[in-house]
Amino acid sequence: QVQLQESGPGLVKPSETLSLTCTVSGGSIKNYYWSWIRQPPGKGLEWIGYIHYSGSTNYNPFLKSRISISVDTSRNQFSLKVSSVTAADTAVYYCARFDYYGSGSDYWGQGTLVTVSS
Amino acid sequence: EIVLTQSPGTLSLSPGERATLSCRASQSVTSNYLAWYQQKPGQAPRLLIYVASSRATGIPDRFSGSGSGTDFTLTISRLEPEDFAVYYCQQYGNSEVTFGPGTKVDIK
Repeated sequence: QVQLQESGPGLVKPSETLSLTCTVSGGSIKNYYWSWIRQPPGKGLEWIGYIHYSGSTNYNPFLKSRISISVDTSRNQFSLKVSSVTAADTAVYYCARFDYYGSGSDYWGQGTLVTVSS
Repeated sequence: EIVLTQSPGTLSLSPGERATLSCRASQSVTSNYLAWYQQKPGQAPRLLIYVASSRATGIPDRFSGSGSGTDFTLTISRLEPEDFAVYYCQQYGNSEVTFGPGTKVDIK
């Protein structure tokens, strides 16, 4: 059973960089795409972007200038960086496996709340 | 960007009733790569349906998906108490993945 776990600071100051890591267990990170999705408090889901285990990426065009997703196959992890954060970046951040040509986002982490505040 | 519109915003029903949720896309969804997710408070979304009509592993058969092109439907044949939640559609046929705003199914 594939499991995903997000980790990283729960509080980030405005204008700084938000950094999160997702650790995949119970299966290899290879042969799949892996995504980040966020949900501001009380709102809907927003796709941030995804990365293939080979390193190719695709980002939400509205966030593209501020985000970076990377993968470390040796550690079975992938990571998200969001630069120049504001209060609007406060959200629960989820990582998920993305079966691009099949079942969509089939495995999700539990999510981690990141608050942007001074 | 493919914009997904879900209706209604809120659906108030009683246990045992049938729920019909709609998801409409601003342009045709490639290969009907349309998924439905259920989300309960404080939990991560859970995949219910993928490629418009295929049930995910472990999903009860009271959940069914249909549709193609730009119009998709999630049907819950008989609502169980645990089905009251928010439901999101997602298209992933376009390289730019998008979610709908969600439909809340609450108890009447």
